[in-house]
Amino acid sequence: DIQMTQSPSSVSASVGDRVTIACRASQAVGSWFAWYQQKPGKAPKLLIYAESTLQSGVPSRFSGSGSGTDFTLTISSLQPEDFATYYCQQAKIFPYTFGQGTKLEIK
Amino acid sequence: EVQLLESGGGLVQPGGSLRLSCAASGFTFSSYPMSWVRQAPGKGLEWVSGIDGSGGDTYYADSVKGRFTISRDNSKNTLYLQMNSLRAGETAIYYCAKRHIAAVGFDYWGQGTLVTVSS
Repeated sequence: DIQMTQSPSSVSASVGDRVTIACRASQAVGSWFAWYQQKPGKAPKLLIYAESTLQSGVPSRFSGSGSGTDFTLTISSLQPEDFATYYCQQAKIFPYTFGQGTKLEIK
Repeated sequence: EVQLLESGGGLVQPGGSLRLSCAASGFTFSSYPMSWVRQAPGKGLEWVSGIDGSGGDTYYADSVKGRFTISRDNSKNTLYLQMNSLRAGETAIYYCAKRHIAAVGFDYWGQGTLVTVSS
């Protein structure tokens, strides 16, 4: 199975900050990669798919980059509604696998 | 508007069985692969099982292979997950999710149904 490892596991930041979350796959997944946001008590929400394509309706302050095994989610200027947990996921090979999550907290 | 509505969760004893359903609307159900993803209390997301649009191909996490069965009834726009030999550690919210048309990621999720495995 492909292992997905996110870093950091948690991060504290302030409104207006730029934040970067990393995800590393144990083997190359190409563009078969996605990022999700999850708020407490809610289902996950797709933010970015195919490595760097913004899902419809997602603010442009979110961006994704990377290739092969190393990927990055960047939030350019944090807004209050962005404080949540973020997950990466590979969709290249079954079983699909998620990272362990990165909790973004208010400083 | 795309909607996914899970049902069938509840309390079950270890070793017991449960069948989850996910009623879909707002899109051509038979055209899209679907998956089940679960989340234990306070934990991360775990993909459980997936099925192609026709129902001909199914996929499972190693942790549930041989015990869980995914299926779909395209005439009823409904996805199912039959769970047998449930274990205490499988207490979780179970979500159904629709695969994105780009074949990467899940663009719509249900609200989830809670399965509690406990004696």
